Amino acid sequence: KQEVTQIPAALSVPEGENLVLNCSFTDSAIYNLQWFRQDPGKGLTSLLLIQSSQREQTSGRLNASLDKSSGRSTLYIAASQPGDSATYLCAVNRKETSGSRLTFGEGTQLTVNP
Amino acid sequence: DADVTQTPRNRITKTGKRIMLECSQTKGHDRMYWYRQDPGLGLRLIYYSFDVKDINKGEISDGYSVSRQAQAKFSLSLESAIPNQTALYFCATSATGQGEQYFGPGTRLTVT
Repeated sequence: KQEVTQIPAALSVPEGENLVLNCSFTDSAIYNLQWFRQDPGKGLTSLLLIQSSQREQTSGRLNASLDKSSGRSTLYIAASQPGDSATYLCAVNRKETSGSRLTFGEGTQLTVNP
Repeated sequence: DADVTQTPRNRITKTGKRIMLECSQTKGHDRMYWYRQDPGLGLRLIYYSFDVKDINKGEISDGYSVSRQAQAKFSLSLESAIPNQTALYFCATSATGQGEQYFGPGTRLTVT
């Protein structure tokens, strides 16, 4: 059974700081890994999708890496801003005999203080 | 307009009532999913559908049923709602099993 863990559960940083969010998973038989952002009471916004054959993906101030063999992914946020405050979720798209399925971590709640 | 929409956005109902949550998408995707989110438990998969004729149970399907009325519509029903079904419910779509999933805005359901 695939298990996904995100560390830390919560993080508070001053504006302008660079930060790293961590995601680990137990089964390396995956198609891809997806990072999402969730604002309070809102839906999930997809940030980055990394295919299992890729090492990293970048979008603006965000950079996600993937080390499938060790079961780890990181989301790097550069020059953090108060608008980055949200919960960040990683989800692993694992291979199954009937297709594929997303397994989510519990998220890291990020607060960026002005 | 949003690509994935959910109705209602908020619903309060009583124990024992039947309730239906609806999801519509304009992305043209074949695959649709229903998840629930609970504090401390993350998102868990309830049901998923590969196409109109293919529906599969997820991790926590007990107490729920679904209907795929068309490629664009996927409904989740609670036949007899109970308080521990109070949660935030999300619908999602993807073009393929390996593709990016796109989520709706969620339905906040409270069962009293």
